Amino acid sequence: RKEVEQDPGPFNVPEGATVAFNCTYSNSASQSFFWYRQDCRKEPKLLMSVYSSGNEDGRFTAQLNRASQYISLLIRDSKLSDSATYLCVVTPFPYGGSQGNLIFGKGTKLSVKP
Amino acid sequence: DGGITQSPKYLFRKEGQNVTLSCEQNLNHDAMYWYRQDPGQGLRLIYYSQIVNDFQKGDIAEGYSVSREKKESFPLTVTSAQKNPTAFYLCASSPPLIGRPDSRTYNEQFFGPGTRLTVL
Repeated sequence: RKEVEQDPGPFNVPEGATVAFNCTYSNSASQSFFWYRQDCRKEPKLLMSVYSSGNEDGRFTAQLNRASQYISLLIRDSKLSDSATYLCVVTPFPYGGSQGNLIFGKGTKLSVKP
Repeated sequence: DGGITQSPKYLFRKEGQNVTLSCEQNLNHDAMYWYRQDPGQGLRLIYYSQIVNDFQKGDIAEGYSVSREKKESFPLTVTSAQKNPTAFYLCASSPPLIGRPDSRTYNEQFFGPGTRLTVL
């Protein structure tokens, strides 16, 4: 089983749609979880951290299910500008990337159409 | 403006040549990282450094070397021993944990714009 698995997509959705991405991770010791966004031929940028209680940032909602080792990202009211690849990222360290290793999924490609 | 710069943006190299990719940051971050990204693949860690004059191998260090003589700089050398060097190379940095008041404010890794290396 790969360390971090994501559905590669592409997800093709109309503007205004709600879309959900899932991610599973294999290391039960994982402690920090993130969603990054990567535009075509650009560097990844942090979209949001994922907290145990779940968290929301505007149109974006992230959920964590430790028992099932599963992370999700929900995007409501999709915009054209949401078109990008969304990377699920996991680390065994409690305070994220500073201690070394972020494990990246291959990403899920989203294309929002007018 | 603070940030991470990588140069050059595009780099072409002949087989058998070593090449050095530059990464500079003025964010006063202690930790710096090098990743490689291949088409349709996730990022893979090559080397990382938590402090000046110290660095550790990542998952795919073979055929690469690094140095960390200054806090601001973490150059990566792709040697001729790297069998498949054509890829998108990303440098990142992250701030120290000490003094962060909010334990939920997990460290973010900030990425540079990347260097696309093509071996001809």
